[in-house]
Amino acid sequence: KAGVTQTPRYLIKTRGQQVTLSCSPISGHRSVSWYQQTPGQGLQFLFEYFSETQRNKGNFPGRFSGRQFSNSRSEMNVSTLELGDSALYLCASSGTGTGGLGELFFGEGSRLTVL
Amino acid sequence: GQQVMQIPQYQHVQEGEDFTTYCNSSTTLSNIQWYKQRPGGHPVFLIQLVKSGEVKKQKRLTFQFGEAKKNSSLHITATQTTDVGTYFCAGTRRQGSSNTGKLIFGQGTTLQVKP
Repeated sequence: KAGVTQTPRYLIKTRGQQVTLSCSPISGHRSVSWYQQTPGQGLQFLFEYFSETQRNKGNFPGRFSGRQFSNSRSEMNVSTLELGDSALYLCASSGTGTGGLGELFFGEGSRLTVL
Repeated sequence: GQQVMQIPQYQHVQEGEDFTTYCNSSTTLSNIQWYKQRPGGHPVFLIQLVKSGEVKKQKRLTFQFGEAKKNSSLHITATQTTDVGTYFCAGTRRQGSSNTGKLIFGQGTTLQVKP
């Protein structure tokens, strides 16, 4: 069974630009969560999607948004990039229907550098 | 802000010594999960605990969930160089009779093992 796939793996942007990251979950998983990982803050919860609906949201500004498609693939978008958005963005899928209670399978992450 | 606190942030041990990391929440948790992230890798699920006072073992690893479901610990007996990495706890806060659905991660404990 293929794992969670995230693209792109690495990208460099400049302040003010926007970026879209993609995540393909494990086949059959309908829950996709996004986390931001930075050395100082650990893993911060961004949002979770389940069956194309945002089920939970973390405490990030509105510049961070996401969506999920009917095939469970998910994208997250960050607009008007700031230097502080430089981080590893991790996507995780889960086969459990109840949020927060299932094992998360993480992708390798997309490392974003904002210059 | 971070709602699940983890200590210590770093731990250096000699190979063969024991290691413990602690996870604390100010609110009751529905569950606690533990993940391990190797340097340069992504978090990998280790275990989930859901019952008050639960103790689970995986070879040299012992996981505990507190009686009040507000704290947890991971203990590694006789560390090996393969144990190197960052260990994260993650919990879902309870809200009334249900859970919030958000899996919140602690900041992690980075373990270094000297051979």
